[in-house]
Amino acid sequence: DVKVTQSSRYLVKRTGEKVFLECVQDMDHENMFWYRQDPGLGLRLIYFSYDVKMKEKGDIPEGYSVSREKKERFSLILESASTNQTSMYLCASSFSHDEQFFGPGTRLTVL
Amino acid sequence: GEDVEQSLFLSVREGDSSVINCTYTDSSSTYLYWYKQEPGAGLQLLTYIFSNMDMKQDQRLTVLLNKKDKHLSLRIADTQTGDSAIYFCAESLYGGATNKLIFGTGTLLAVQP
Repeated sequence: DVKVTQSSRYLVKRTGEKVFLECVQDMDHENMFWYRQDPGLGLRLIYFSYDVKMKEKGDIPEGYSVSREKKERFSLILESASTNQTSMYLCASSFSHDEQFFGPGTRLTVL
Repeated sequence: GEDVEQSLFLSVREGDSSVINCTYTDSSSTYLYWYKQEPGAGLQLLTYIFSNMDMKQDQRLTVLLNKKDKHLSLRIADTQTGDSAIYFCAESLYGGATNKLIFGTGTLLAVQP
């Protein structure tokens, strides 16, 4: 079974803090994705990566950056967290053009 | 442009059929997916349909695709309380190095006992 894990289920941070969200997959997938999920808006793509050290902006990259130093790990970074980044963050991975497998999500609250 | 729309809420009684609808705008979609999200969990793939098919059946699930109208539906027969969840449709668009998924807003299915 594909397993995608995220470092925290719940996280509370203060405005201005630097936040790292980690995602690890164990199936040697080339592609990894970060989404945020907000009520009534569905999932919106923040960034994705199709290879180590490669990244592309999604639909809402502002205020975020990513890092992929190893194939199995994809990190989402909030350089200076703001209250409008309070959300559920979902990581996913996939082979080539196949279906995406999702982690359980991290619910981030920025105070 | 890329836009996937769903109604936000559906309530059914246990044992009835549920039909969740979705419309999309990009006719170049290759695959269309249905994902299920249970409370506090990530998304789990339920089923998918290739864009050159018009129907797919998998046990209690039936997916219908009307490519002309860009309309996708998911029918759940004999709906159970365990089917209560948020259901997302998604279209897969070829984005060069990989496919991007464009998700709908999600439909919250509430099953009344």
